[in-house]
Formats: sequence, structure tokens, C-alpha cells
Amino acid sequence: SQTIHQWPATLVQPVGSPLSLECTVEGTSNPNLYWYRQAAGRGLQLLFYSVGIGQISSEVPQNLSASRPQDRQFILSSKKLLLSDSGFYLCAWSVRLSGPQYEQYFGPGTRLTVT
Amino acid sequence: KNQVEQSPQSLIILEGKNCTLQCNYTVSPFSNLRWYKQDTGRGPVSLTIMTFSENTKSNGRYTATLDADTKQSSLHITASQLSDSASYICVVSEKGIKAAGNKLTFGGGTRVLVKP
Repeated sequence: SQTIHQWPATLVQPVGSPLSLECTVEGTSNPNLYWYRQAAGRGLQLLFYSVGIGQISSEVPQNLSASRPQDRQFILSSKKLLLSDSGFYLCAWSVRLSGPQYEQYFGPGTRLTVT
Repeated sequence: KNQVEQSPQSLIILEGKNCTLQCNYTVSPFSNLRWYKQDTGRGPVSLTIMTFSENTKSNGRYTATLDADTKQSSLHITASQLSDSASYICVVSEKGIKAAGNKLTFGGGTRVLVKP
């Protein structure tokens, strides 16, 4: 069966420090991968998605970047964190159900607090 | 602009009672609608997924309905349990996209609190 891992689970970082969040998927190959951010009391906002190694699409301009160095690894980074980067970060992958139908599965999330 | 609106934003119900959550959307062209359950501090977990031709789908005590004509969906929780306390998120996807995730529109969620 497929599983998705994220680490760390929680992180407290000072403003201006770098960031690296990692997401890995097991039990599947060539998945579509996604990074979302969920601010407190708000809906999920798609930050990046990737359809293959080295292929990254950004949905919103921001202080963050993403990379996919391996098929089942997705990394979210920042060179200098801002207070507004605080939030709950979710990694997800999608699988094709039938025809044009896809299902998304989410990781456990990383709670980032920038102080 | 594609939008998904959920109501109410939050509700409190007593254990054993039923409740219904609403979702209205303007996403077009419509592909499917999903309901997710998200426990505090955890990732969302899929409850149901419905396509245009489906108007009801159940998953245990959760029953989702879809009216594609009025672009409305509801999630009904029967005989609520304390473990049902969570946020419930309505997500609508567009048709005809390759990388599914970039065309999902998320609702803001309904926070449900079940009290004993």
C-alpha cells in the first residue's frame, strides 16, 4: 500500500532563517506531488505541484521554492523565512482512479511557526 | 473565478444527534466533488468522491449528496460520535486537466464539535 511521510512534524524557526521540509511517498511510482499551506482557520492553498523529477510548477508568487530531486521525494524550501510563512504545510500525491478522475492523498502535515 | 463556499463555518452538536453540512460551488467545467475529514493537526482524509452522474454516496455514517444542476452538495453525519469532531472540507475539481491537483478548489471547511 502507498504511504506518504512528512518531516518534521513541527518546527519553530526565527524570521530570516532557512527552511527545508521533506515529503516522501512509498508504494507508487511517478506520482503527481503537491505542497499546500493551510493558514489557521483557512482553506488549503496550493503552493507547488510536480508531475515528474525536476518538474515544478508554482501556483502563487511567494518566499518559498520546491524541488523534486527523486521520483518520490518532494522538498519545500526557503532561504529566509517571513512571519507570514507560518502555517500548516501539507504534502499530497494523486492517483488516477478512472478516466479523468483522480484521488488525492495527504500527508500528516508539518506545523511551522516563524517567530 | 472558481469558488467553493461551505456553511456553517462551525457547529456544535450533541453526541448521537445528526447534522448536515452544506457546500455550494461555482467550479466549471465540473469533474468531481470530494468531502474530506481533517482532524486537528492532521492531514485531510477522503470520505467520499462523487462525479456528475452520482447524486448520493455513503461511507458508514457519512452520506454525501450532490445536485449538479444547482451546484450544491451536502454531507450528512448520522448518530454523531465524539470522534466526528473535526473539520470537513469540500473540494471540487475541474474537468480535463492533466495534473489533478492544480485545478482543485477547496472550501474553507466546517468545524464540527461533538459534545457528550
